[in-house]
Amino acid sequence: AQSVTQLGSHVSVSEGALVLLRCNYSSSVPPYLFWYVQYPNQGLQLLLKYTSAATLVKGINGFEAEFKKSETSFHLTKPSAHMSDAAEYFCAVSDGTGNQFYFGTGTSLTVIP
Amino acid sequence: GAVVSQHPSWVICKSGTSVKIECRSLDFQATTMFWYRQFPKQSLMLMATSNEGSKATYEQGVEKDKFLINHASLTLSTLTVTSAHPEDSSFYICSAPGDGTDTQYFGPGTRLTVL
Repeated sequence: AQSVTQLGSHVSVSEGALVLLRCNYSSSVPPYLFWYVQYPNQGLQLLLKYTSAATLVKGINGFEAEFKKSETSFHLTKPSAHMSDAAEYFCAVSDGTGNQFYFGTGTSLTVIP
Repeated sequence: GAVVSQHPSWVICKSGTSVKIECRSLDFQATTMFWYRQFPKQSLMLMATSNEGSKATYEQGVEKDKFLINHASLTLSTLTVTSAHPEDSSFYICSAPGDGTDTQYFGPGTRLTVL
């Protein structure tokens, strides 16, 4: 069985500050982990993914995430928040077959000018 | 990269009518596509797995006779909401695996409003 937990349904940061969005996973098989971003009234856009290669994964728009097996975590970070980063962020886990994706409940990021 | 489109992007219909939503993979073939439903401020809920050339697989609690899925080609899956009611109003999103299947690519979503 697989699942993800996103701690904090709402996160607010000042423009230019560090962004940290938390994701912990549970998986009975080696996990494939993903972060997606969703802007209002739009579908999900892939930010980055971990597929058992490098544990530090760099994605688009300056985001990166680190896979930590010992902590069963895959937290998303960005050194300096931009106003355009305000959106809903979803963490997801799968078994790598492209079939079942399990999503977290999402974290809404607000960037304060 | 892999692109998935949906049509329409927004539809408003009267209660009791049926609405068809299309999901297309534009630059790749997809033997499997997925349909999700998303309520405001909530995560995505997987409704069903659409399989090209065979019956769809529905998640527990999803009425297969109400949400008809057809996957007639390798680039098109359709979701028909039959006899729609206001409680069916939601954001429907489809996805398809790309890049050797380990990644899901999502359509832009379809907002359904049932009056």
